[in-house]
Amino acid sequence: SYVLTQPPSVSVAPGKTASIACGGDKIGTYSVHWYQQKPGQAPVLVIHYDGGRPSGIPERFSGSNSGNTATLTISRVEAGDEADYYCQVLDSGSDPHVWVFGGGTKLTVL
Amino acid sequence: EVQLVESGGGLVQPGGSLRLSCATSGFTFRDHNMDWVRQAPGKGLEWIGRSRNRVNSFTTEYAASVKGRFTISRDDSKKSLVLQMNSLKTDDTAIYYCATFVLDSVMGPFDSWGRGTLVTVSS
Repeated sequence: SYVLTQPPSVSVAPGKTASIACGGDKIGTYSVHWYQQKPGQAPVLVIHYDGGRPSGIPERFSGSNSGNTATLTISRVEAGDEADYYCQVLDSGSDPHVWVFGGGTKLTVL
Repeated sequence: EVQLVESGGGLVQPGGSLRLSCATSGFTFRDHNMDWVRQAPGKGLEWIGRSRNRVNSFTTEYAASVKGRFTISRDDSKKSLVLQMNSLKTDDTAIYYCATFVLDSVMGPFDSWGRGTLVTVSS
């Protein structure tokens, strides 16, 4: 089965840029989606199809995907961005097609 | 406004059964795939299954971890999704979310989620 690997934690100072990596074999050939989850809340889709932003998501959130790594980038980080972030792909090579999530990265705003 | 509201969670003994529901509104339910995702306490997200849409004959698909124990069904007249969980194990303890891709009828990322319902399997 397909595996996505994320660092457990990332720390960043307010106003700086945070980058969260999501590693997977040839992940650049998949569409990657990213979710933000704050404590006690359901996940929220913040990036879809590698770099698209759903309606209502600030332009500070962006994504890229190439080779074996996809990256979520948050510019001008704010205290309210502190959350867990998960990457996701659809493993269409499996039967049935399985949604695979990374293990999650806790973003701490210093 | 799209709304997904799960219900039915609670405490159940190992080997027991529980039925979760997801009531929906704000979109054409029959045109969309509906999925269940769970999250064990302090852990990450795990996809557990889906009910395909009308175009795909409402077929169901499951993760290996729950196949044969969990059954997903849908009632289009009530716009609701059901997760029947049998032979529950302590590892099934989690918050269970229903989720869907409202933006399109294809198999896409989950742009809408419910708030979740907690299932605790313990003796």
